[in-house]
Formats: sequence, structure tokens, C-alpha cells
Amino acid sequence: EPEVTQTPSHQVTQMGQEVILRCVPISNHLYFYWYRQILGQKVEFLVSFYNNEISEKSEIFDDQFSVERPDGSNFTLKIRSTKLEDSAMYFCATHLDRDSTEAFFGQGTRLTVV
Amino acid sequence: AQTVTQSQPEMSVQEAETVTLSCTYDTSESDYYLFWYKQPPSRQMILVIRQEAYKQQNATENRFSVNFQKAAKSFSLKISDSQLGDAAMYFCAYRKGGNQFYFGTGTSLTVIP
Repeated sequence: EPEVTQTPSHQVTQMGQEVILRCVPISNHLYFYWYRQILGQKVEFLVSFYNNEISEKSEIFDDQFSVERPDGSNFTLKIRSTKLEDSAMYFCATHLDRDSTEAFFGQGTRLTVV
Repeated sequence: AQTVTQSQPEMSVQEAETVTLSCTYDTSESDYYLFWYKQPPSRQMILVIRQEAYKQQNATENRFSVNFQKAAKSFSLKISDSQLGDAAMYFCAYRKGGNQFYFGTGTSLTVIP
């Protein structure tokens, strides 16, 4: 069964450092999302990405965040200067097309900022 | 803005018994989708069941079924014959068309042997 793959599974970084979280979507999927889940809280939308550009973003997704699909395969989330409050589980999700109802989630990357 | 509310932070059920998890949502849309996702300790979000708002019939997937009350904006999940592997965090989610998911705060389900 096709699946969304995220790397790394866990990353520890020092405050102020840049991190890049990677996601390999299901091959024929066109829509990509990043969500995050701070420990004990609900899953929150960060950004959606289609046709090599951001289609929607939340208030959380400020100038410290960026996304890209550099090689047509990986879908990355970059945090330029991490803060303690960026510590969370980050989930990548993809779906086939705009109208498909189901999204497939990766297993998540646990980011710990120290 | 769409909101999804899960009023039960924690629930427990005896193995082989039935449990119902509650979810309410707020929307002005008439056509949308509702989901229940399971998040076991491995943290991967797994789709349990989904419901199209235009369908009156409640969705069913094996031991999992929903009670969808559109007028009341209620979407509860019933797990029958609970198994130890059902222990997880369960998230109710709303989605309009190709837009983002809105998640509730989750219900942690414990299954007692």
C-alpha cells in the first residue's frame, strides 16, 4: 500500500538553528500539506501546497517557515530560526487531487528545540 | 471559522464492549466531509472512517460506525467489540472540499483487558 514517508523521525536542534523536515508524498498525489501537533494539543494546519506554490497558509506559518518541492519528489518544510515553541510533531499529508476526500498522513517528525 | 469540538478528553472501555466517542462541529456549509482519525502510540494518523455530509446513511467500517446528525452538527464514533489494539487517541476532523482539515482536540481511548 502506498504511503507518505517522513524523515527524520526525530530531530533535536538548538534554538536559533535551521531545520528541514522532509516528506516523500505518494507518487501521483498533487496536493501537499504540513500540520503540526504540539504535545497534548490538537493537530493544527500550517500550509497547503499545489503546483509548486502555496495555496493556503495559517497564521502559524510566518516568515520563519517555508516550503518547497526542490526535486519534484521531496516536499520540505524549513524553519529558519527555531524557537522553543516550535517543538512539536510535524505531519505531512498528501492527497490525489483537490476533490479527493481522504488525505494520507506520514508518520510524523518529532522536533525538539532545546 | 470551522471548529470541531471533542468534549471527552479521555474515555475507557472494557475489552469486547462498545464505546461511543462524541464530536460536534460548527459550519455554515452544507456540503463537507467528516472524519475520524486514530493516532496510536506510533503517532501515525490512520483514517478510521469518513462521512459525506450529503449522505444521510451513516458510514460503517467493520466494528466502527458513526451517528451523523447533520442538523445537530454531531458526528459520534461507535466502536463495537473493542479490542486492545483500539487503544489510541481519536481525532474528529472536518473538511470542506479540497481545503484543510480542522481537527478536534482528541479523545484518548483506553481499552481495559
